[in-house]
Amino acid sequence: TQLLEQSPQFLSIQEGENLTVYCNSSSVFSSLQWYRQEPGEGPVLLVTVVTGGEVKKLKRLTFQFGDARKDSSLHITAAQPGDTGLYLCAGPPTRIQGAQKLVFGQGTRLTINP
Amino acid sequence: NAGVTQTPKFQVLKTGQSMTLQCAQDMNHNSMYWYRQDPGMGLRLIYYSASEGTTDKGEVPNGYNVSRLNKREFSLRLESAAPSQTSVYFCASSETGVSNQPQHFGDGTRLSIL
Repeated sequence: TQLLEQSPQFLSIQEGENLTVYCNSSSVFSSLQWYRQEPGEGPVLLVTVVTGGEVKKLKRLTFQFGDARKDSSLHITAAQPGDTGLYLCAGPPTRIQGAQKLVFGQGTRLTINP
Repeated sequence: NAGVTQTPKFQVLKTGQSMTLQCAQDMNHNSMYWYRQDPGMGLRLIYYSASEGTTDKGEVPNGYNVSRLNKREFSLRLESAAPSQTSVYFCASSETGVSNQPQHFGDGTRLSIL
């Protein structure tokens, strides 16, 4: 059972469309991170959200942390082929001791077609 | 800017063989981690080292051992490889063990056990 569930697992859309991917849990997280991973490389951090209800923008990407700190979403406006990749959410669940430990969702594999 | 360097990049082993995956970081980070990534599973933490001289088990430690050789280097050893250990292995580091610190990843070691 995944502590963090991402949906959808796969998404293929046309360039210029908008999309939203979700990261949900039944547990409360003190923070959530979003990473993007390209083929043959390791994940790279995009953003960290810390406060319930927080919204952060990174160019065309908008990240939101749920009010109850159990979920997060990533919205991409006018998707471009360069947005293609595996998007991973990760966080330290408060019920697991050890601030260093992160649990990851299974990822959303996004393909933007030209 | 090397960041986190993993060696080797690819390896094929026979069941029962042993090997050590090497990881080094040049960012003077205190904390280091080993993950495995399997299709549909996201990343799962194998072992981590909050600081030089300490190591702790993660979510899936069975069949693995680690050594924090010094502040820069953190190795992962498979004593008797099994087909279930076929995976992509990622090493990561962070400045401290605080949970909302970004983790910096290497490009992975792709390991196949026949």
